[in-house]
Order: sequence, then structure tokens, then C-alpha cells
Amino acid sequence: LAKTTQPISMDSYEGQEVNITCSHNNIATNDYITWYQQFPSQGPRFIIQGYKTKVTNEVASLFIPADRKSSTLSLPRVSLSDTAVYYCLVGELTGGFKTIFGAGTRLFVKA
Amino acid sequence: GAVVSQHPSWVICKSGTSVKIECRSLDFQATTMFWYRQFPKQSLMLMATSNEGSKATYEQGVEKDKFLINHASLTLSTLTVTSAHPEDSSFYICSAGTGRRVGNEQFFGPGTRLTVL
Repeated sequence: LAKTTQPISMDSYEGQEVNITCSHNNIATNDYITWYQQFPSQGPRFIIQGYKTKVTNEVASLFIPADRKSSTLSLPRVSLSDTAVYYCLVGELTGGFKTIFGAGTRLFVKA
Repeated sequence: GAVVSQHPSWVICKSGTSVKIECRSLDFQATTMFWYRQFPKQSLMLMATSNEGSKATYEQGVEKDKFLINHASLTLSTLTVTSAHPEDSSFYICSAGTGRRVGNEQFFGPGTRLTVL
């Protein structure tokens, strides 16, 4: 399983765009990149998943460069409710792949 | 989206007792379920991988005789903490994989807070 490295914490203000970068230098050919959000005392919630280039959904965008050794989660116009821990995971999609969580990034959104 | 539930959401028990936590996939069949433990201010730690109809695979350092996992059906997995002690107090989270080859994100339950007195 590819190891991931993220910043421990980030601060932002409401309305700003937040970009959280994750490094995964030993990502394998069959690995996908998945981001989860976790609020205190809750289970993680799926945000977005991608393999290469750019993926966008209603809540975020995921940018993956050609070498796939890193990825950036982009949250547009954050609000106070986006304060949470964000985890970047890398793994192969094979019928329930084993997931190893890194330390995650604690995002604090201020008013 | 797929929904995973856990029961109970919180439990307090005396030291030495056993506690069972249920994890259910409500609207999909989960061939694989995972159990995690999370201590305050820490990340999720994978405890075991559970496949329906077979024995669970435990991560290194996790006592399989203490944390009994049963995956009797495609929608239910249970974790039993046997002879619980205060150091077992933690937030236990399960997740279920849909089994699809593409878009195979895991869906997580809301977690169970276990407090052992």
C-alpha cells in the first residue's frame, strides 16, 4: 500500500478556496486516490476519488498530475462547517481494498 | 449513496464484560467489511478485514481472541470486544466496500463510542 503524506493542519477563512496536497511517491499503477472527510465522533465521509488528471463533483475537485506522485484536493469557498480532518488514501480498487489511513490534515475554517 | 449503520452508537460497560457492536450495510451487499479503532486526536487504525463467510484477517498487533469478528451475511458484521478493559475504550468504526471495480469507495458507519469503566 502506498504511503501518503499530508500537512498536519491548515487554517483558512470562510469563502476562501482551500487546497490540500497529498504526496504518494510510491503509488502503484492500479492505485486510485480517494479523499475522505471526518468530523469529530463521526465516521469518515467519501469526498472524491480519481486516477489521473482532474475530477470534479458537487463538493470538491481533485487534481492529479501526470506522474501521479501527488494529488490536490480543492475545496471551493469553504464555510465553517468544512472544519474537519481530511484524509488522502491510495489503494487498488479490488472488491473492497484494504485501506490504511495516514494522519490526515486538520482544516480549521475561521469566520 | 450507500448507507452503513452501527449499533449501538455508544456503550458504557464495566471492566471484564463483553460488548458486541453491529455493522450493517442498509442498501447494498458488502462482500468485505473493515473494522477500525480511533483514539482521540488520532487517525483511524485498521483492526481487521472481514469477508462474508470466512474468517477475518487481523492486522498485526490486534488480538483476534479479544476482538471477535463475525461476518455472517452480506449485510452484517459484528465486532465483539471480549473481557473489555479501560484501555479498550475507543471509537470503533466499520466500513463496507461495494465490491465494484470502479468507484469502489468504502462507506463508513457512524462509529460506536466504547467506554470501559
